[in-house]
Amino acid sequence: GAVVSQHPSRVICKSGTSVKIECRSLDFQATTMFWYRQFPKQSLMLMATSNEGSKATYEQGVEKDKFLINHASLTLSTLTVTSAHPEDSSFYICSARGRGISRETQYFGPGTRLLVL
Amino acid sequence: DAKTTQPPSMDCAEGRAANLPCNHSTISGNEYVYWYRQIHSQGPQYIIHGLKNNETNEMASLIITEDRKSSTLILPHATLRDTAVYYCIALSGGGADGLTFGKGTHLIIQP
Repeated sequence: GAVVSQHPSRVICKSGTSVKIECRSLDFQATTMFWYRQFPKQSLMLMATSNEGSKATYEQGVEKDKFLINHASLTLSTLTVTSAHPEDSSFYICSARGRGISRETQYFGPGTRLLVL
Repeated sequence: DAKTTQPPSMDCAEGRAANLPCNHSTISGNEYVYWYRQIHSQGPQYIIHGLKNNETNEMASLIITEDRKSSTLILPHATLRDTAVYYCIALSGGGADGLTFGKGTHLIIQP
């Protein structure tokens, strides 16, 4: 149980284009989803927290107009990187917590590797 | 959330028990100790968590000292697939907040 999927697993795009990443909880209802990013040889950094049906809360230094998060249902959250630039190239990972599983625990997706040319 | 301190790297022989220490001397009474691991190029994997008592599951055991200032994650019979970065995280609020990852311990299982 407690499986989180992400799509796509990797994406290459041109500078200036937008990229959407999906995060799904497959066997539980995710009341809260989190988005992280990880640059090479660094730890994961929390970008934002989203509760189903509410606006996301962004961490300091993360531009909410650039990283659009939608958590419209209890099983799906999306992260859209708008007008992507090479410095946005990173490993983006979502996690989820919610109903039907251990309430205190977050379960992570496999990550999406974004390369902006 | 309390800061945690872990050794940057450790080696362990395959088949032996791997004991990973974590210091969290400023942990508060309502903060849980969580352990996650990240195998190269994958998302983190939940291992175990605890508040006061020792915990065991199919993956590992968690030993928390009586004063809660430190803990040890034990992988009883390490395999090559256990090579990963292990993160010890102190978290309050019943898990409502996002996780703050430190540098973790890079555990290398030697054949």
